[in-house]
Amino acid sequence: NAGVTQTPKFQVLKTGQSMTLQCAQDMNHEYMSWYRQDPGMGLRLIHYSVGAGITDQGEVPNGYNVSRSTTEDFPLRLLSAAPSQTSVYFCASSSGTLRYYSGNTIYFGEGSWLTVV
Amino acid sequence: AQSVAQPEDQVNVAEGNPLTVKCTYSVSGNPYLFWYVQYPNRGLQFLLKYITGDNLVKGSYGFEAEFNKSQTSFHLKKPSALVSDSALYFCAVRDWSDKIIFGKGTRLHILP
Repeated sequence: NAGVTQTPKFQVLKTGQSMTLQCAQDMNHEYMSWYRQDPGMGLRLIHYSVGAGITDQGEVPNGYNVSRSTTEDFPLRLLSAAPSQTSVYFCASSSGTLRYYSGNTIYFGEGSWLTVV
Repeated sequence: AQSVAQPEDQVNVAEGNPLTVKCTYSVSGNPYLFWYVQYPNRGLQFLLKYITGDNLVKGSYGFEAEFNKSQTSFHLKKPSALVSDSALYFCAVRDWSDKIIFGKGTRLHILP
């Protein structure tokens, strides 16, 4: 099982550049989400999705866009990168949503290290 | 909105001693509570979860957690710490809104 796959693992961007962090899962999970991890701040939720065509904002959504055109993929877009977006980004997925069962385990990707200079 | 607090940035425990990593939460309705562990340069790994039922939950690697509704706490425990338990530990809560919110993490150091 591939699980949750994130690409790229490392990326350096210049301020103002755009890029997309890719996330794919092969477990047919309804729930997918993006977090950023910063020292002393823990994990903060950026955006999440409870199914194809449905996305919603998390705790720190500004500067990021997402879409969910398929169950498998949940890309995170930075339209104009800023140094404040230097962070480690984690994609996560889980089966079940509120309508069914919200207690299922969350599976994480290995992370994407992004530096904006 | 739900929230999670991990009051200790770091916990130091001697090998062989019991350990506790604290977590308190705030959520509307019934909480779904999780503990995850992160090793350096890796993603988070699931340890255990509380959904309903027994307040003492057993998980991976000998860890357990006690759900206390009146104190809104979900502390992680292990009877005898190993040096290999040294890592970053995260508590998380999920509620009716489908958001999964994590605490800031607690770094656990097990001293040989």
